Amino acid sequence: DAGITQSPRHKVTETGTPVTLRCHQTENHRYMYWYRQDPGHGLRLIHYSYGVKDTDKGEVSDGYSVSRSKTEDFLLTLESATSSQTSVYFCAISDVSGLADTQYFGPGTRLTVL
Amino acid sequence: RKEVEQDPGPFNVPEGATVAFNCTYSNSASQSFFWYRQDCRKEPKLLMSVYSSGNEDGRFTAQLNRASQYISLLIRDSKLSDSATYLCVVNRGGRRALTFGSGTRLQVQP
Repeated sequence: DAGITQSPRHKVTETGTPVTLRCHQTENHRYMYWYRQDPGHGLRLIHYSYGVKDTDKGEVSDGYSVSRSKTEDFLLTLESATSSQTSVYFCAISDVSGLADTQYFGPGTRLTVL
Repeated sequence: RKEVEQDPGPFNVPEGATVAFNCTYSNSASQSFFWYRQDCRKEPKLLMSVYSSGNEDGRFTAQLNRASQYISLLIRDSKLSDSATYLCVVNRGGRRALTFGSGTRLQVQP
């Protein structure tokens, strides 16, 4: 299995509080991605990174920010959590820019915003 | 219209049955295609890539029809362990990469 960990694995928080999720990889892959998964929607891309300090928005980026100061870590921050951000968050890594190569997923973080 | 569409199921089949899943995609510029498998409350894992010529991996066969923008997955001799959600995934190219269907749930029954 690819060396990807996510922390925390579960979190319950209140509306309006900031939340940071961490993705850590030991594969030295260049590309990292954050997705959210909700019933009926499949996985949707929030933000992605194509290198240290290089990030870009995905299709559902509103309310989220990211940072990547080291190859191995990609942080997702909810500046002020809302109930609509209750979801399962998956981090993924890839060695090649999306083009045909496999993305490997972390175990996920289950976030509940009350 | 969703970019990648799948029948959500569930498909309930007996052990040993053959089952087929279909998927359609809307972006004709899509470059590569995959099937991922996701077990309940787990992360998605690559099952197989899908090539225009069709490809087979044991009991699993994937087909791509670019003209119809249609992808299929055939599972032969279903096992209980095949019970999972199968995600159709399309790569539009570039960094933003993958677009996921909502998944088709398979339940194989004894």
